[in-house]
Amino acid sequence: ILNVEQSPQSLHVQEGDSTNFTCSFPSSNFYALHWYRWETAKSPEALFVMTLNGDEKKKGRISATLNTKEGYSYLYIKGSQPEDSATYLCARPLAGKLIFGQGTTLQVKP
Amino acid sequence: DAGVIQSPRHEVTEMGQEVTLRCKPISGHNSLFWYRQTMMRGLELLIYFNNNVPIDDSGMPEDRFSAKMPNASFSTLKIQPSEPRDSAVYFCASRPSGTMNTEAFFGQGTRLTVV
Repeated sequence: ILNVEQSPQSLHVQEGDSTNFTCSFPSSNFYALHWYRWETAKSPEALFVMTLNGDEKKKGRISATLNTKEGYSYLYIKGSQPEDSATYLCARPLAGKLIFGQGTTLQVKP
Repeated sequence: DAGVIQSPRHEVTEMGQEVTLRCKPISGHNSLFWYRQTMMRGLELLIYFNNNVPIDDSGMPEDRFSAKMPNASFSTLKIQPSEPRDSAVYFCASRPSGTMNTEAFFGQGTRLTVV
């Protein structure tokens, strides 16, 4: 059941640009929202786990916000670098499982 | 802890052969997931175990696929007989159960090619 939607599907930016992308999810029965970073030829690694409406979390140049009432989360990258190139996944826990969106693939050009 | 360990990292097999993928979750994690990465469907959940018991196998594509978790430190995903359309990267992940707030930890994946 794919009830987590991410947009855009892919994004190409220049080094130094700031960028953001969206994760949408059902606002009912909300428990948590996960963000993962997935580099090519590696495995997904967790960035953030967010639980409260209005949550804002930050890790270096990457930050995320959460709106549980309207069912969306934004991921922001400030001053993108080539090493930020990856697929960014969000996931929703549901009955013990983690349901992932299709991801946003970011390519940062030097 | 060494993290989630999967083996083999790469598997090339002929159509019709049996394939077994292996996973060792992080010690103390009692939820284990098998995912498949495909171009079309992204990261697709195949099956989910909690305390070694299969809870949801609705994502298993068909009867050719089976998964077991005989104990808390080992799980297998078996495909018999394998077909070319099974070619994909298969990931195992684990996390502590009982809370939605904990992240999942992924293994390095097994890249399966069926020729």
